[in-house]
Amino acid sequence: AQKVTQAQTEISVVEKEDVTLDCVYETRDTTYYLFWYKQPPSGELVFLIRRNSFDEQNEISGRYSWNFQKSTSSFNFTITASQVVDSAVYFCALSEAGDNQGGKLIFGQGTELSVKP
Amino acid sequence: EAQVTQNPRYLITVTGKKLTVTCSQNMNHEYMSWYRQDPGLGLRQIYYSMNVEVTDKGDVPEGYKVSRKEKRNFPLILESPSPNQTSLYFCASSFRDSGDTQYFGPGTRLTVL
Repeated sequence: AQKVTQAQTEISVVEKEDVTLDCVYETRDTTYYLFWYKQPPSGELVFLIRRNSFDEQNEISGRYSWNFQKSTSSFNFTITASQVVDSAVYFCALSEAGDNQGGKLIFGQGTELSVKP
Repeated sequence: EAQVTQNPRYLITVTGKKLTVTCSQNMNHEYMSWYRQDPGLGLRQIYYSMNVEVTDKGDVPEGYKVSRKEKRNFPLILESPSPNQTSLYFCASSFRDSGDTQYFGPGTRLTVL
């Protein structure tokens, strides 16, 4: 069965600290896609990154980086030099190629990140 | 501006009073979905549509209906709302199905008393 686990419910850091949000997934498909979304206090869902199962290259975008490891079924997200504006709930999500449910996203429970000044 | 819009953004209603939450996208996307977000459960898919007049159930469809008469619109209908449908609802769209990035609307916070 497909599943996404974000074991960290809440994380609190002080500004400028680095923080890593963990994501572990389960799937039987060999072709799948992983996503991270950010939900700031205003409530909308903001797309951050998409990765397919054949591309294990890590990615960096400014202060954000992602570490995809198929061997451990993990897709972790690191924020370097965190800022107060990074405070949000972050969701990891999985979509399976063989799903046939309109590209259904399977979401983790979310990690609430609080960055204090 | 490419976007998904939802209305209303906030709604308080009473048990049994039919309501519709509208969703519209201007990106010519084929696929659209509705999700609900509940604390500790993340987001779960309610219904999805792969094209005009093609809709199907997601994981939690009970108590909801949808329609897709035009490509851009995908309304969510609650014929007889109940308190357990109090939730935050998101509409999403994507160009293709699995693997394509889904873009979400701003959310509709529904309270059923």
